Amino acid sequence: QQQVKQSPQSLIVQKGGISIINCAYENTAFDYFPWYQQFPGKGPALLIAIRPDVSEKKEGRFTISFNKSAKQFSLHIMDSQPGDSATYFCAASRAGRRALTFGSGTRLQVQP
Amino acid sequence: DTAVSQTPKYLVTQMGNDKSIKCEQNLGHDTMYWYKQDSKKFLKIMFSYNNKELIINETVPNRFSPKSPDKAHLNLHINSLELGDSAVYFCASSQAPGTGGPNEKLFFGSGTQLSVL
Repeated sequence: QQQVKQSPQSLIVQKGGISIINCAYENTAFDYFPWYQQFPGKGPALLIAIRPDVSEKKEGRFTISFNKSAKQFSLHIMDSQPGDSATYFCAASRAGRRALTFGSGTRLQVQP
Repeated sequence: DTAVSQTPKYLVTQMGNDKSIKCEQNLGHDTMYWYKQDSKKFLKIMFSYNNKELIINETVPNRFSPKSPDKAHLNLHINSLELGDSAVYFCASSQAPGTGGPNEKLFFGSGTQLSVL
């Protein structure tokens, strides 16, 4: 049973465009929702994270939108750059069991 | 200085062999993890240790045995390797799991690519 569902599996965006990756979760006990970025041959690295008490969080070109009632959250990358080409993972965790449950990943290609 | 380092980077071995992967973190974190990333890039928690104590043990075959000699080290020993064990194994650490805040951040090593022939 996949507790965090991520889409799309892959995404191609032109330089300067907006990249949008979506995730949906099932467990209402989740209360922490990070996004990780992974480059080939490297481990994932935290990009941005949100708690369910806010609906949006922005850091530079990266924004998380969170919809608690729909149990969905998404990552928006504004002004996408070739250097953003990587695999992006959404994740979720809950108090009492602090291990992240990851989505299946989205491979993003930003074309110059 | 590498924050979370794991060795070896690549591990190629025959079915039935026993192998170990070592992990060390110099961040002073209390919690360390092993994650497995399969060929489809899916990341799944295997184990979590807090101050050398096992706190999460997912449904992993008992051929996998983690060992934490101190809170800066978490090694993974795998007995009787099988073809299906081929994957990338990531070690990670965090400051304060359970807080949901910045201290929740996981720091990953660069991974060990295990290939079982």
